[in-house]
Amino acid sequence: AQSVAQPEDQVNVAEGNPLTVKCTYSVSGNPYLFWYVQYPNRGLQFLLKYITGDNLVKGSYGFEAEFNKSQTSFHLKKPSALVSDSALYFCAVRDLRSGGFKTIFGAGTRLFVKA
Amino acid sequence: ETGVTQTPRHLVMGMTNKKSLKCEQHLGHNAMYWYKQSAKKPLELMFVYNFKEQTENNSVPSRFSPECPNSSHLFLHLHTLQPEDSALYLCASSPGDVAGLFFGEGSRLTVL
Repeated sequence: AQSVAQPEDQVNVAEGNPLTVKCTYSVSGNPYLFWYVQYPNRGLQFLLKYITGDNLVKGSYGFEAEFNKSQTSFHLKKPSALVSDSALYFCAVRDLRSGGFKTIFGAGTRLFVKA
Repeated sequence: ETGVTQTPRHLVMGMTNKKSLKCEQHLGHNAMYWYKQSAKKPLELMFVYNFKEQTENNSVPSRFSPECPNSSHLFLHLHTLQPEDSALYLCASSPGDVAGLFFGEGSRLTVL
């Protein structure tokens, strides 16, 4: 079965420091991977995706993610965290069976960036 | 503003009420989704529609009834709900199978 795991419920970083939010996946076939962010009382916003090509994917707000096939990971990164990055982050995988319209989300990781 | 609008944003209903959630997108997307977000749980996919046809029903109880009259509108009809159905209900749309999802702001449902 297709699945994603976010091993950390919460990540704390100081403003200006690099941040990493971890995600591992389990899929049959090629993975289509996504990261989303959710601010309080809002819906999810798309950050970036990996479909094919370069293992380092760049997205919105200075975020990037590194696809690692051997480790089945897709960690979200940012070189220098901002307080405004504090939010809930979701990793997701697209299940390409049944027409590919099913996206499965991880449980989410809450990021706190301290000033 | 993501282009996906959900109404109402907040809804309080009794267990015997009937209400509906509405979702509208004018992004030209062909696929629309309902997700349920409960505290401390992963997002649960409920229903998927592609070109108005339901392609996914993730074992959702019949007290939730979706309706997709066209590719721009999606409803979730609610009746005889339980308190555990209280959650944030998120609508999303997407243009295709490798694209990201565009989410609405959600409808916060409280069942008394």
